[in-house]
Amino acid sequence: DADVTQTPRNRITKTGKRIMLECSQTKGHDRMYWYRQDPGLGLRLIYYSFDVKDINKGEISDGYSVSRQAQAKFSLSLESAIPNQTALYFCATTSTTDTQYFGPGTRLTVL
Amino acid sequence: GNSVTQMEGPVTLSEEAFLTINCTYTATGYPSLFWYVQYPGEGLQLLLKATKADDKGSNKGFEATYRKETTSFHLEKGSVQVSDSAVYFCALTTSGTYKYIFGTGTRLKVLA
Repeated sequence: DADVTQTPRNRITKTGKRIMLECSQTKGHDRMYWYRQDPGLGLRLIYYSFDVKDINKGEISDGYSVSRQAQAKFSLSLESAIPNQTALYFCATTSTTDTQYFGPGTRLTVL
Repeated sequence: GNSVTQMEGPVTLSEEAFLTINCTYTATGYPSLFWYVQYPGEGLQLLLKATKADDKGSNKGFEATYRKETTSFHLEKGSVQVSDSAVYFCALTTSGTYKYIFGTGTRLKVLA
């Protein structure tokens, strides 16, 4: 089984809808991250968390919120989706040696 | 602020050709440097890393040397294969920030 899983893998939604992307990990890492990937822009950090009580904004947190339900689970929500949030979203965990482990990604399309 | 600049792609090579993908960085302090690879339809995975100046990271025939004097971490491979076709990301983190800065990625296509 994969160490970092994301659901759903693909999602098409409409403008204004609420969307939740979920991430689970079995690596036992405390640090978890949400990124979005856009062509030509690389990966940009949305939110990151060190534990269930420690959540931090990244460089592009506007329009997003997160929830760290447990050490192993970190969810990303779009309260009211808009078309420019169409992107590939990745969850990642980080080891004590600073190596990041990425999930397979969620491709989100907002119409 | 910290930043990573890597060469734009796509890079198209014939099998067995020599590969270089350039990466330069700007950072305060002494960053750790990484190369990640993303195969089609997958998430990123660590290819190699280096944590201090003059360290050489290596894996699967790929190498990169941490050059503090030129603030560079160029990725090289002596003989590429079709299976190396992917997008390659250079990245850094600095001690205590727990944040990672990624380059924009370089797409490599290797032709048989």
